[in-house]
Amino acid sequence: NAGVTQTPKFQVLKTGQSMTLQCAQDMNHEYMSWYRQDPGMGLRLIHYSVGAGITDQGEVPNGYNVSRSTTEDFPLRLLSAAPSQTSVYFCASSSRGRDSPLHFGNGTRLTVT
Amino acid sequence: GQQVMQIPQYQHVQEGEDFTTYCNSSTTLSNIQWYKQRPGGHPVFLIQLVKSGEVKKQKRLTFQFGEAKKNSSLHITATQTTDVGTYFCAGLTSGAGSYQLTFGKGTKLSVIP
Repeated sequence: NAGVTQTPKFQVLKTGQSMTLQCAQDMNHEYMSWYRQDPGMGLRLIHYSVGAGITDQGEVPNGYNVSRSTTEDFPLRLLSAAPSQTSVYFCASSSRGRDSPLHFGNGTRLTVT
Repeated sequence: GQQVMQIPQYQHVQEGEDFTTYCNSSTTLSNIQWYKQRPGGHPVFLIQLVKSGEVKKQKRLTFQFGEAKKNSSLHITATQTTDVGTYFCAGLTSGAGSYQLTFGKGTKLSVIP
């Protein structure tokens, strides 16, 4: 059972480039979400989804897009990377939504130069 | 918006000493979740508290939820080097059919052997 799988593990981008962070889960969880973690800032919610075809903004959505075409996948797109988006990104899923425990992926460490 | 304050930000203890981290919310919580993140790793769910005044134990870890459901604590008895990491609380508020899960900024625990 793989759980939540994120790719890539590391990525370096130049300012203005775009890319997609991949997230897949094999637990048939309805709820999926993306967080960014910055030193001293804890975990901040970027976007989330309560099921296929449904997405919503979190606390810090600007500069990011998401889609949820299947239950399993929830990719995060950076439209035009900026140095402020240098961070560690975590994808998380849960069976019933934010009132049930989150299962986190291993994270993607992104550096924007 | 909802705020979850967690103190202290850092704690250095000698192996064998006790450790406590505290979490305080500006609003009444539906539940509170605790996570542990090892250095270089991802957050891992530890426990969820739901009831006012609830106390739960996991071996050397004791979790408490305040009577007013606005604060919580995690106490580790006789720390070991395996306890090293950052401990996060996450408070859930609900209303009008929506949920908001807000993470504290975490307490980073170092254990000196």
